[in-house]
Amino acid sequence: DAGVTQSPTHLIKTRGQQVTLRCSPKSGHDTVSWYQQALGQGPQFIFQYYEEEERQRGNFPDRFSGHQFPNYSSELNVNALLLGDSALYLCASSLFRQGISTDTQYFGPGTRLTVL
Amino acid sequence: DQQVKQNSPSLSVQEGRISILNCDYTNSMFDYFLWYKKYPAEGPTFLISISSIKDKNEDGRFTVFLNKSAKHLSLHIVPSQPGDSAVYFCAAGGSSTGGGNKLTFGTGTQLKVEL
Repeated sequence: DAGVTQSPTHLIKTRGQQVTLRCSPKSGHDTVSWYQQALGQGPQFIFQYYEEEERQRGNFPDRFSGHQFPNYSSELNVNALLLGDSALYLCASSLFRQGISTDTQYFGPGTRLTVL
Repeated sequence: DQQVKQNSPSLSVQEGRISILNCDYTNSMFDYFLWYKKYPAEGPTFLISISSIKDKNEDGRFTVFLNKSAKHLSLHIVPSQPGDSAVYFCAAGGSSTGGGNKLTFGTGTQLKVEL
């Protein structure tokens, strides 16, 4: 049973550039969430996608955008990169069940983004 | 505003003894709580969860206790093993008007199990 996969593993960019990170959910899951984890902190929620739409968004600027494809995979795009965007970006997948808010989210290994 | 707090950045325990990791929260709308374990260079691994309608959930060596009145939960690991050495994150979730279920994480506790 394939778990959550993310690509690339590591990425180095310079300020002002744009980056795209990719995520494939665990088999059977239809919901994808993205988190940013800065050094020494817990993961911070960026947004969540279900049925190819953004369902919930955290406190991140519009430079952070995403997309979900019909096969449930997802992309996270960050424009106009800042030094402060350097972090581990985590993707988590879950199965949506109507009326249930307690779906466990399973995480991928993350993409380490370094902005120089 | 830190809605989920893990006040102990680190904890050291001897192999075979009990490890107790604590977590406090402030948002009364949270109705689901989870513990994740994280090794360096890996994503968080789900350990155990508890719904707000329960006060205890057990899975093997791991037990989570929830005290809603105190807005406090704890993770007990018995017996502790060297392979349990990792960073442990407490997370809380709840339904939103749009149907999303984002998780809010604490800052983590580094557990070290010594031989």
